[in-house]
Amino acid sequence: GIQVEQSPPDLILQEGANSTLRCNFSDSVNNLQWFHQNPWGQLINLFYIPSGTKQNGRLSATTVATERYSLLYISSSQTTDSGVYFCAPRAAGNKLTFGGGTRVLVKP
Amino acid sequence: GAGVSQSPSNKVTEKGKDVELRCDPISGHTALYWYRQSLGQGLEFLIYFQGNSAPDKSGLPSDRFSAERTGGSVSTLTIQRTQQEDSAVYLCASSSSPPETQYFGPGTRLLVL
Repeated sequence: GIQVEQSPPDLILQEGANSTLRCNFSDSVNNLQWFHQNPWGQLINLFYIPSGTKQNGRLSATTVATERYSLLYISSSQTTDSGVYFCAPRAAGNKLTFGGGTRVLVKP
Repeated sequence: GAGVSQSPSNKVTEKGKDVELRCDPISGHTALYWYRQSLGQGLEFLIYFQGNSAPDKSGLPSDRFSAERTGGSVSTLTIQRTQQEDSAVYLCASSSSPPETQYFGPGTRLLVL
């Protein structure tokens, strides 16, 4: 099955800093979602982005499907951005395959 | 409803007992998915329903795990003869016809003693 690698595994930011999270995947994908898992464990949809670039407030994402990677940008980070960010592409079939996540801590 | 709901929120059981976990998808969503999140295995797919049928059961870890969906809505995941390694957070998601966005519920935290 598809392999998904996220980097970095851990990220510590000072409030106000910008950062880029990366997701590499091993196979062609039909779609890709980015999630934020908050401290209570809830998985919150950030983006549905099989290709191209999308923006939502301080967050944006880019997927280059032909090169098998996706990037999540966090700008002007806030403490509420802390948590774990997951990339989950969908290859053959309908299931999402999750990466190992990037754990982000934003310090005030 | 407004989102995916799951019950119970938490479940503590003894090894060897059976447990049932429930998922109520977003109204009108035809696709329903079960995943689980554990410390050792990360987030992994269990089973996918389209309507009441389960065309992909490939993630169920053993024959102690089963799931059903009735009326194209509510789904129940059943674990028989629970083992300690079944301890995890069980997450349900739903979507309109794939490959649309999957929306996740809050999960059921299962602890097997």
